[in-house]
Order: sequence, then C-alpha cells, then structure tokens
Amino acid sequence: DSGVTQTPKHLITATGQRVTLRCSPRSGDLSVYWYQQSLDQGLQFLIQYYNGEERAKGNILERFSAQQFPDLHSELNLSSLELGDSALYFCASSVGRGMAQYFGPGTRLTVL
Amino acid sequence: GENVEQHPSTLSVQEGDSAVIKCTYSDSASNYFPWYKQELGKRPQLIIDIRSNVGEKKDQRIAVTLNKTAKHFSLHITETQPEDSAVYFCAAPPKTSYDKVIFGPGTSLSVIP
Repeated sequence: DSGVTQTPKHLITATGQRVTLRCSPRSGDLSVYWYQQSLDQGLQFLIQYYNGEERAKGNILERFSAQQFPDLHSELNLSSLELGDSALYFCASSVGRGMAQYFGPGTRLTVL
Repeated sequence: GENVEQHPSTLSVQEGDSAVIKCTYSDSASNYFPWYKQELGKRPQLIIDIRSNVGEKKDQRIAVTLNKTAKHFSLHITETQPEDSAVYFCAAPPKTSYDKVIFGPGTSLSVIP
C-alpha cells in the first residue's frame, strides 16, 4: 500500500457524461500528478499540482480539468466523455519536484 | 525535445539470468532518474532511482547506472526470478519543465522458469 488513495475504483458511464475522480495523497506529500493509461499503453502525464497550484500540464484534453484543494486532495474532472477516454487513471504523489512518486491503485473508467 | 525511449520494448530471459533495460532521454532538467515496475493490473511502483551526482546505485538484485553525458540510464536485474516479470518504466522530466514527467513507453520483461 503506497498511502495514496483513489476513488472510485471502477466507473462505468455513457458517452457525453461527466465524471469526477478523486485522489488523496500520502500524508506530507504536496505534489499530485495525474496519469492516463490506456490498454497496453504507457503512462501519459496529464497534469501536476503542487500545494494547490498547477505546475505542469501534459497532453491533457480541454474536456479534462483538475484541481488540488487546501487539504491537498485532488480531483480530475472528465466531461463530454468519449469511448476513447476509457482507460486507467492513476494519481501519484510526491514530497516535491524531482522526488519519488507513489501511485494510487487507479480508477478504471469505462465509457460505453 | 521531450522524448524518452526504452530499449528493448520486450525482453525474455531464463530464470537466473540477468536483464538490462536502457532508457534514453533527449534532454532533461532533472538530476533525478527513477525506474518503476508495474505488474499486470497493478499500480506502478518505484523500484530504484538515481541522482546525477552518482554513476551507479545498487539495491540487492537491482542496480541503476547513469551516463548523463550520453543521456541514458539503465536498469540491471541480476539472478532474475519469475516475480520480476512485469513492465518496467523509466521517467525523466524535459528541460523545458522540471515539473512535467515523461515516462518511457515501457519494457515488458518475461522471466521463464
């Protein structure tokens, strides 16, 4: 157990819908990262927050947004869902930049 | 550029043999180079990392070597065991952003008993 929690574990929804994925970092970690992993694919970096501020963006679609709250938990919002958004979404946390990342168990999103 | 490559993409070894996976990055702002292991259906887990002030780091059967001049670092696993079978990812941030993370495409290692 890495100490990073993600909810829900599984999510099944329809095209056009909106969902929110939640991540709680390890105690003491200020950075939260979000990744998308499609079937048999690598880890695609989406976005990173540090102590509530957005620090870096990857190839995150405009339909996706995220935020980190004062208690340091983070949420990833996915809207106007398409079939291609079906994937495993991981969040990871670290103490800060250039430090080890600890991954949560992931949320498996299925868009039907 | 923001490119991280791994070679080979798949690797099959006999139990007890060694395995080496190489990660090449185009440019990096970081002095921190990690390797992650992802077993089927599970989360990626950090297995070893190295900072650029050292050339090699070892932890039991795994080691990482870094050649910052040549822009590559390698994962070495000795005395492989079936439980080493997994996908291994390296990561490096691009020079343009120390906060961004680019993972390599992964290397699928199979250890044959």
